[in-house]
Amino acid sequence: GDSVTQMEGPVTLSEEAFLTINCTYTATGYPSLFWYVQYPGEGLQLLLKATKADDKGSNKGFEATYRKETTSFHLEKGSVQVSDSAVYFCALANYKLSFGAGTTVTVRA
Amino acid sequence: EADIYQTPRYLVIGTGKKITLECSQTMGHDKMYWYQQDPGMELHLIHYSYGVNSTEKGDLSSESTVSRIRTEHFPLTLESARPSHTSQYLCASSEYGSTGDYNSPLHFGNGTRLTVT
Repeated sequence: GDSVTQMEGPVTLSEEAFLTINCTYTATGYPSLFWYVQYPGEGLQLLLKATKADDKGSNKGFEATYRKETTSFHLEKGSVQVSDSAVYFCALANYKLSFGAGTTVTVRA
Repeated sequence: EADIYQTPRYLVIGTGKKITLECSQTMGHDKMYWYQQDPGMELHLIHYSYGVNSTEKGDLSSESTVSRIRTEHFPLTLESARPSHTSQYLCASSEYGSTGDYNSPLHFGNGTRLTVT
């Protein structure tokens, strides 16, 4: 069945550092891919998405490219801020929605 | 501004009590979901609904039940709470996507953190 594997956390960074969170997937067909973010004390919210191969999703300085050849959808941000501290979830939508286990990111000032 | 509302935000109750977690959305979405989020933050789908009078069990077995009498309302009930039910419960909704049921993003509420003593 479909599955999502994302980089284990926690990840701790200094402000202005480069962030990468790896996400790989296993799926049949042509799934859509998502990144969701959960800030402390809140529910999840959609960060970005890509619906077909080579699409790049972007939002709030974050980017992720749908790579079918490597079955990956890695999340990147060039310069993180303290306000980016959150839990990040990679997700795949096919005949069902599958979430990764989440990666906790803490950005220190 | 949240379009999906969960109450209560926090709940501490004793073992054996019956509880209902409320979830309402104002977006007119047909699909609604309940997820259980464990301390490690992983999400587990416990119930979902395609619309009024539709309820389905999710991937994780749960002793809770749900109902969908109105489009906007999807309450979750535990008949007899136990300490093992202590968790965060997240409600979500989505609209049907033109390219498939699950391609539309989910909109989440802020969750109910339940503690059973």
